[in-house]
Amino acid sequence: DSGVTQTPKHLITATGQRVTLRCSPRSGDLSVYWYQQSLDQGLQFLIQYYNGEERAKGNILERFSAQQFPDLHSELNLSSLELGDSALYFCASSPHPSTGANVLTFGAGSRLTVL
Amino acid sequence: GQQVMQIPQYQHVQEGEDFTTYCNSSTTLSNIQWYKQRPGGHPVFLIQLVKSGEVKKQKRLTFQFGEAKKNSSLHITATQTTDVGTYFCAGNQDSNYQLIWGAGTKLIIKP
Repeated sequence: DSGVTQTPKHLITATGQRVTLRCSPRSGDLSVYWYQQSLDQGLQFLIQYYNGEERAKGNILERFSAQQFPDLHSELNLSSLELGDSALYFCASSPHPSTGANVLTFGAGSRLTVL
Repeated sequence: GQQVMQIPQYQHVQEGEDFTTYCNSSTTLSNIQWYKQRPGGHPVFLIQLVKSGEVKKQKRLTFQFGEAKKNSSLHITATQTTDVGTYFCAGNQDSNYQLIWGAGTKLIIKP
């Protein structure tokens, strides 16, 4: 157990639907990151939050949004889902606001299947 | 844009053979990290290199950071089945706070 908790582990839904993925960071970590990993592909950075504020944005689609709440948990909202959104979504956390000495701890991921 | 190129994409080896993956950045990195993702698992941090020319070892794994802080390598001696997985490098640049990820190298042990 890495200390980063993601729910749900698996999710199957239909095109056009909306889903919410949830992440609780490791205790003491203030930054939360979201990554998308399609089958056998690399890690695509989506977005990062630090202490409730958006810190950096990657290749996140306009149909996707995220937020970090005062208790530091984060949610990734995916709407108007398409077949191509099927992927593993990882949340990671780190203790610092992305300095040069930052290390990420990943959760187990949420596997989204869009039918 | 800022990129970290990682090669090869795949490497098939016989158990007991060595394995190496390389990362090259288009710009100078302040540090580089290595992660391992087992099949069906999530990336797990292995090590971070900070200094120019730094070499670190973890049992059969040797990590190097180039003198110019633009390239890095991970070498595994005498691979074992437990080494199977995808190895990612990720670099931090001085000018921003984002990790730039390599595409990963998948280590496959031939049966």
